[in-house]
Amino acid sequence: AQSVTQPDIHITVSEGASLELRCNYSYGATPYLFWYVQSPGQGLQLLLKYFSGDTLVQGIKGFEAEFKRSQSSFNLRKPSVHWSDAAEYFCAVGAFSGGYQKVTFGTGTKLQVIP
Amino acid sequence: EAQVTQNPRYLITVTGKKLTVTCSQNMNHEYMSWYRQDPGLGLRQIYYSMNVEVTDKGDVPEGYKVSRKEKRNFPLILESPSPNQTSLYFCASSLSSQGTQPQHFGDGTRLSIL
Repeated sequence: AQSVTQPDIHITVSEGASLELRCNYSYGATPYLFWYVQSPGQGLQLLLKYFSGDTLVQGIKGFEAEFKRSQSSFNLRKPSVHWSDAAEYFCAVGAFSGGYQKVTFGTGTKLQVIP
Repeated sequence: EAQVTQNPRYLITVTGKKLTVTCSQNMNHEYMSWYRQDPGLGLRQIYYSMNVEVTDKGDVPEGYKVSRKEKRNFPLILESPSPNQTSLYFCASSLSSQGTQPQHFGDGTRLSIL
């Protein structure tokens, strides 16, 4: 069975600083990887996804993530954080299990942005 | 506008009083799913449905029921709610059950069971 670890529960960065959110997964084959963002009081919104091909994936809102098979990681990055990026971020891994999409979410990283 | 709509958004009720949380999507998606979100535990899947009349248990199905009589609707039923079901619930849908499809989420339903 697949699993996802987001080691950082809470991260604080200054506006304009760079950001990296960590995600490690466990799965026997190449997984489908996702990053979602959850703003307060709202559902999850897809930021980006990786299925195959180029290991550096571009997403919405200026985010990118890099798939590193050797490290079983899919870290999310942004070169310059904006106050509106304050939210909770979830990494997820999708894998086939009994013919359907089994998606497992990490426990989330809450991002605080300070002026 | 493509969306997943959940109702109600907030509900406070008492132990044992049956309740239903509705979920509707307007994207003609095959796959629908219910999750609960608890602090420190992330999202855990309760039930999912691959198509009309096809449903199956997720990771935490105890105390919940679902049905999928129409493609667009996937209600979550708590026959006899208990305080440990106090949580934030999300309905999600995707085009198919294949692992490549991202999910679209509703805005959530916050349930408090007293």
